[in-house]
Amino acid sequence: GAGVSQSPSNKVTEKGKDVELRCDPISGHTALYWYRQSLGQGLEFLIYFQGNSAPDKSGLPSDRFSAERTGGSVSTLTIQRTQQEDSAVYLCASSLRAGGTYNEQFFGPGTRLTVL
Amino acid sequence: AQKVTQAQTEISVVEKEDVTLDCVYETRDTTYYLFWYKQPPSGELVFLIRRNSFDEQNEISGRYSWNFQKSTSSFNFTITASQVVDSAVYFCALSEANLRRDDKIIFGKGTRLHILP
Repeated sequence: GAGVSQSPSNKVTEKGKDVELRCDPISGHTALYWYRQSLGQGLEFLIYFQGNSAPDKSGLPSDRFSAERTGGSVSTLTIQRTQQEDSAVYLCASSLRAGGTYNEQFFGPGTRLTVL
Repeated sequence: AQKVTQAQTEISVVEKEDVTLDCVYETRDTTYYLFWYKQPPSGELVFLIRRNSFDEQNEISGRYSWNFQKSTSSFNFTITASQVVDSAVYFCALSEANLRRDDKIIFGKGTRLHILP
């Protein structure tokens, strides 16, 4: 079956502009995660959605970052007034659900964001 | 607080040599999961292994083996008879079974492995 997909694969933007990154999780997966991979920083958790529950936004680095998940499926990560330090690869992952016994997270290919 | 430390930022070995990637973790939970992921130059994350905190048995899969030691909070990864295709960034990671019931993964900063022909 189809895996997690993300679009665009690459995005170049100018400092100060807003960007939207999209994630299509695996069909039927209720849990969705966003992570960021910055150069030399590894991957860091940003935000987590589970079903219709309020998202866990504890990893968002600033209020310029926000995310939505419409209809429990597609998610959009929005970065407003982008800064050069936002340049990174943004990875999305989904799993059947969260909690209880461990649920495998399947990662998308990522969106490489470059802020000039 | 949870933390994963991969002290080796970059390693280079000659093909066919064995190489061990170190991973040390911190957590206050008694139930947790440990992972290794591979990220080849193409960029996608490839899942390699998951172990839960109650299973300290070492595991071998082909040329890959993992040594989990709770006493030292380590989960080291060894590649035997390395090959050029093993060149990648390898991430060690931790997920706690927490009250929030999320499974967010805490990653180390990765070790970039170069296998030289």
